[in-house]
Amino acid sequence: DAEITQSPRHKITETGRQVTLACHQTWNHNNMFWYRQDLGHGLRLIHYSYGVQDTNKGEVSDGYSVSRSNTEDLPLTLESAASSQTSVYFCASSAAGGRTGELFFGEGSRLTVL
Amino acid sequence: LAKTTQPISMDSYEGQEVNITCSHNNIATNDYITWYQQFPSQGPRFIIQGYKTKVTNEVASLFIPADRKSSTLSLPRVSLSDTAVYYCLVGDTNFGNEKLTFGTGTRLTIIP
Repeated sequence: DAEITQSPRHKITETGRQVTLACHQTWNHNNMFWYRQDLGHGLRLIHYSYGVQDTNKGEVSDGYSVSRSNTEDLPLTLESAASSQTSVYFCASSAAGGRTGELFFGEGSRLTVL
Repeated sequence: LAKTTQPISMDSYEGQEVNITCSHNNIATNDYITWYQQFPSQGPRFIIQGYKTKVTNEVASLFIPADRKSSTLSLPRVSLSDTAVYYCLVGDTNFGNEKLTFGTGTRLTIIP
């Protein structure tokens, strides 16, 4: 079955360190998204991509970067982790075009920055 | 971009029908209404989507009045496993999911 997986599921790091969260989908979806979820804020969009070599900033992109070198993967990098980036991160994908626009989410990556 | 308003939380007993209403007064002509469900420690999951009148699937029903300024997600005969956060999203997904905004959702608690 097609799926979307995130790794690591849990990570603890220190302020200033670089961190990369992996997202891999086997749906062959063109669209991929990264969200963060914090209490009281719902899900907020960080970055998104509509295809290989395409990346776009979302609502809360400062301090984050993504790259899209193939269809399956959209890694999220925190260049210099800050305590404010402690959160649960969700990756999602969707098929290009069409009215449904159904998002398929991963299980989430819980990041703690000390 | 249509803003949505939904109750922060709701409680219901097992076996009852639960209706969660979402208001979206400035919905645009091309906007669809989509509901997601999120269980603790999991990503959101698509439940249902509609444009007008009524849509029903194996999980829920979605009622949309003629003016489309609100919508109601109906969960029949809920069980403890329906305890989750429910999000109402409004937008034209034909132009990309990045325009869909997840608010804080409605936290539904089912009581035994």
